[in-house]
Amino acid sequence: TQLLEQSPQFLSIQEGENLTVYCNSSSVFSSLQWYRQEPGEGPVLLVTVVTGGEVKKLKRLTFQFGDARKDSSLHITAAQPGDTGLYLCAGVSGTYKYIFGTGTRLKVLA
Amino acid sequence: GAGVSQSPSNKVTEKGKDVELRCDPISGHTALYWYRQSLGQGLEFLIYFQGNSAPDKSGLPSDRFSAERTGGSVSTLTIQRTQQEDSAVYLCASSLPGRVQYGYTFGSGTRLTVV
Repeated sequence: TQLLEQSPQFLSIQEGENLTVYCNSSSVFSSLQWYRQEPGEGPVLLVTVVTGGEVKKLKRLTFQFGDARKDSSLHITAAQPGDTGLYLCAGVSGTYKYIFGTGTRLKVLA
Repeated sequence: GAGVSQSPSNKVTEKGKDVELRCDPISGHTALYWYRQSLGQGLEFLIYFQGNSAPDKSGLPSDRFSAERTGGSVSTLTIQRTQQEDSAVYLCASSLPGRVQYGYTFGSGTRLTVV
C-alpha cells in the first residue's frame, strides 16, 4: 500500500515567519502535487512537480521534489494569514489515481 | 458547468437510512473520482469513473457503498443503511482523460453526518 506521510500535522505560527512542510513516502511517484484546502471547500491545486530534484516557486511558496521522487517539501517564506489552510500532497499512482497525504493544518496568526 | 458541483452541501441522516450524493463534473471531463475525507484529514480514494464505466472501485469501503454515472456526466454515490462511521465529507473531482498530471478539479463536497 502506498502511503504519503506529511509532517508536521499541525503548525501555528506568527505572520512573517518561515515554515517548511514535508511529504514522505517509501514509494516512487511519477509526479507529485500540492493542494491547499480551506474550510468548506474542496482542495485547490497549487503545483505539480514531475522531475526528480525539480524546484518550483509560486510567489512566496517554494516546492521541491526529491531526487528519488519519493518525497517533497513545501517552504513558505514570510507567511501571511491568507496562507492558513490544510495543505495536502498527492502522488500519482498509475495513470489516473492520486494517493493523498495525511495533511498539514497551518494557521498563521496576525 | 464552470466547476464541479456537488449536492447537497450538507446532509444529516439517521443511522440505517439510505443517502444519495450527487456530483456534476466539469463539461468534457470524462474522468470522475469520489474521495472521502474524515475530520479534515487526508483524502481516501473511493471510486474512479472513465465515462460511464468504473474500472476502479477498489476504495469502496463495503457493499453498502455504490456509485453510478450516466451519460458520461452526472454521478451519484449511494450509501445504504448508513452507519455513524460513514460521517465524513465526500468529495468529487473530475479531470480530462490522460491529463492526471494536471491535477483534479474538486467540488466543495457533501458533509454527511449520521446521527
